[in-house]
Amino acid sequence: QSALTQPASVSGSPGQSITISCTGTSSDVGSYNLVSWYQQHPGKAPKLMIYEVSKRPSGVSNRFSGSKSGNTASLTISGLQAEDEADYYCCSYAGSSTHVVFGGGTKLTVL
Amino acid sequence: QVQLVQSGAEVKKPGASVKVSCKASGYTFTSYGISWVRQAPGQGLEWMGWISAYNGNTNYAQKLQGRVTMTTDTSTSTAYMELRSLRSDDTAVYYCARDFTMVQEWDYWGQGTLVTVSS
Repeated sequence: QSALTQPASVSGSPGQSITISCTGTSSDVGSYNLVSWYQQHPGKAPKLMIYEVSKRPSGVSNRFSGSKSGNTASLTISGLQAEDEADYYCCSYAGSSTHVVFGGGTKLTVL
Repeated sequence: QVQLVQSGAEVKKPGASVKVSCKASGYTFTSYGISWVRQAPGQGLEWMGWISAYNGNTNYAQKLQGRVTMTTDTSTSTAYMELRSLRSDDTAVYYCARDFTMVQEWDYWGQGTLVTVSS
């Protein structure tokens, strides 16, 4: 069982927007603005999409955005494209003892 | 360009040890940390630990304490992860990743190393 809770799957049609939630606790997501999101295509290494809740690395499309409210972080993908179909994982810093917690991953299907 | 190149796949028997390498290039190795993350077949990501390439300080996941050791060789810009007393549930793809914020956020990843533990 993962420390952060994500929906197992979400889907959307090309051009639509979807949001993936990531719920933690006051010990991780709620305490630190250190939530990151990773995209993983089958057989590939994860790719950083969002860090520090809402920052986008250079080269990542501005269709990807992140936010946080309380113990829940969210990743929104607007203008869905076929290439966005992948697994998405959230991750949060969790302090000097636990260090890092991951979500269980969300499979995004572009219909 | 930044690259992390990992060693090849391994097959080990239960109880054995494995050491995976991660050679960095394209950046100043000692300016960043390296984390190790693993992924069992069909499962999610699991953080294993982190090492500072600057001073060798480490943090390990509690469930792996005592079985894992992370080291670096700054002369070759290479990070290593050794896992001992292997069990079947250690079968996974092991990734190294560069920690660019020093708080466990990773901008570059290695290609992954499959470690299979089987008798």
